[in-house]
Amino acid sequence: QKEVEQDPGPLSVPEGAIVSLNCTYSNSAFQYFMWYRQYSRKGPELLMYTYSSGNKEDGRFTAQVDKSSKYISLFIRDSQPSDSATYLCAIGDYKLSFGAGTTVTVRA
Amino acid sequence: DAGITQSPRHKVTETGTPVTLRCHQTENHRYMYWYRQDPGHGLRLIHYSYGVKDTDKGEVSDGYSVSRSKTEDFLLTLESATSSQTSVYFCAISEDRVLYFGPGTRLTVT
Repeated sequence: QKEVEQDPGPLSVPEGAIVSLNCTYSNSAFQYFMWYRQYSRKGPELLMYTYSSGNKEDGRFTAQVDKSSKYISLFIRDSQPSDSATYLCAIGDYKLSFGAGTTVTVRA
Repeated sequence: DAGITQSPRHKVTETGTPVTLRCHQTENHRYMYWYRQDPGHGLRLIHYSYGVKDTDKGEVSDGYSVSRSKTEDFLLTLESATSSQTSVYFCAISEDRVLYFGPGTRLTVT
């Protein structure tokens, strides 16, 4: 069993829709939860970073962590074509384990 | 971009040849990492370093070695390249547990 499982997608949504991305993890000791965005042929870049359970909001992006269920989510509101990218969840501490990524396409 | 550069950015090599990829950082970070990225697998950790001459294995370390003789440089060596090592290789540094990635090296082993 992989340490981090991510819904594979791909997802295609119309502009303005809400995008929902999810990951589950197996190691209850994990404390740090991150979402990265990766554009084609680029390195991943940090999008959201949370520590412990709860919600964190940054503009159109909301990250949720439910440690009791070992489940994390990323929501993108009012999605834009510029949000089209691959989104990777990452969980761990000094060593991060990554999900396989979900490719999102926002159609204008 | 966290001051990370990788070289070369692209490389094509033949099976059985040794290959060294270089990661250079300008901000004196203690932790450095090498990941590979393949379709369907996401990013997988190869090796990481927590200081000069201090390194440890990740989940996919077979066939790879690393060295770190200076804080700013972290080298990844494929001793004898195989086709299964065709991949995109990313170097990263850690700052407060957040990873910041370099631009990547696209390696093709023919």
